[in-house]
Amino acid sequence: NAGVMQNPRHLVRRRGQEARLRCSPMKGHSHVYWYRQLPEEGLKFMVYLQKENIIDESGMPKERFSAEFPKEGPSILRIQQVVRGDSAAYFCASSPASHSDTQYFGPGTRLTVL
Amino acid sequence: KQEVTQIPAALSVPEGENLVLNCSFTDSAIYNLQWFRQDPGKGLTSLLLIQSSQREQTSGRLNASLDKSSGRSTLYIAASQPGDSATYLCAVIGTGNQFYFGTGTSLTVIP
Repeated sequence: NAGVMQNPRHLVRRRGQEARLRCSPMKGHSHVYWYRQLPEEGLKFMVYLQKENIIDESGMPKERFSAEFPKEGPSILRIQQVVRGDSAAYFCASSPASHSDTQYFGPGTRLTVL
Repeated sequence: KQEVTQIPAALSVPEGENLVLNCSFTDSAIYNLQWFRQDPGKGLTSLLLIQSSQREQTSGRLNASLDKSSGRSTLYIAASQPGDSATYLCAVIGTGNQFYFGTGTSLTVIP
């Protein structure tokens, strides 16, 4: 059973471009979570999704950031018009059910905005 | 708002020592608490998950305890090894299924 997969592992964008980060949960997992780890800071929750539904997006910045988890395919975290402050490691996690289950984390995508 | 604090921020011990990492949280209304390790440039590895109704969990040389009423958890590592060197993160799972992470303890085990 493959673990949580994220791609790309490293992404470089120039200011103003769009960044698309993909996350494929573990097989059988229907819950996906996105976190951001800024330099010198801890992990911060961004959004919690189930298939085709956003359950909790209280950690998402109000502008430029969006997330989806379609019926088919990976979950996508989209950042429009990136700025240097968006440079961070973005981690995805999945669980089979709710918060009563362990979350399994992917290796992360390291976004660098030039 | 839940705040999670980990002490110490960094710890260096000789190989073979037993050690304790501390985690405290401000809101005792939690569902679970989870300990992770993070290796440089890598993702997170789950170590132990403690349900809110449990007091402790053990896995190999690791033992995690939870005291909800006092807002504390400890991670005990027995007979430390150089391969244990990593950053250890404590995460509290709140009522909204949000994970609140501490800033971590950076552990170095010296051979």
